[in-house]
Amino acid sequence: DVKVTQSSRYLVKRTGEKVFLECVQDMDHENMFWYRQDPGLGLRLIYFSYDVKMKEKGDIPEGYSVSREKKERFSLILESASTNQTSMYLCASRPSGRGQEQFFGPGTRLTVL
Amino acid sequence: AQSVTQLDSHVSVSEGTPVLLRCNYSSSYSPSLFWYVQHPNKGLQLLLKYTSAATLVKGINGFEAEFKKSETSFHLTKPSAHMSDAAEYFCVVSDRGYNFNKFYFGSGTKLNVKP
Repeated sequence: DVKVTQSSRYLVKRTGEKVFLECVQDMDHENMFWYRQDPGLGLRLIYFSYDVKMKEKGDIPEGYSVSREKKERFSLILESASTNQTSMYLCASRPSGRGQEQFFGPGTRLTVL
Repeated sequence: AQSVTQLDSHVSVSEGTPVLLRCNYSSSYSPSLFWYVQHPNKGLQLLLKYTSAATLVKGINGFEAEFKKSETSFHLTKPSAHMSDAAEYFCVVSDRGYNFNKFYFGSGTKLNVKP
């Protein structure tokens, strides 16, 4: 079974702090994704990566950056957390090829005070 | 451009009755279509996917969906609801052209199952 793990299930941070969210997948997938999920808005793509050190902006990249130094690990960074970044963050991975689905981690619920 | 519309934000059914969750999409290319389920405080789990083979797709837990190109629909059905089906369901479309890494999510349908 594909496993996608996220470093924390719940996280509470203060405004202005630098926040790291870590995601690890164990199936050698080329592609990894970070989404945020807010009620009534579905999932919105923040960034994705199709290879080590490669990244592309999604629909809402402002206020976020990412790092992919190893194939299995994809980190989301909030340089200076703000209250409007309080959300559920979901990581996903998928193999290359058309029609392949994404595999999701359990999510990190981040609260910024 | 791709988009997905889930026509109902909430659906309530009684246990043992049929479930219908509606999804319409727009796509410039022949799409791949997916349904995911999310239980409270969990990640998303794949229920089923359509990628251009049979138009009637069977998934896990008794769910199925039919791809209707003429109606641009991919509705999710189940003959008999179970209490454990209470969750949020997302319809997703991805491009099978150049941007096949781009997935478009509907806003979700919350399914309530009454005893």
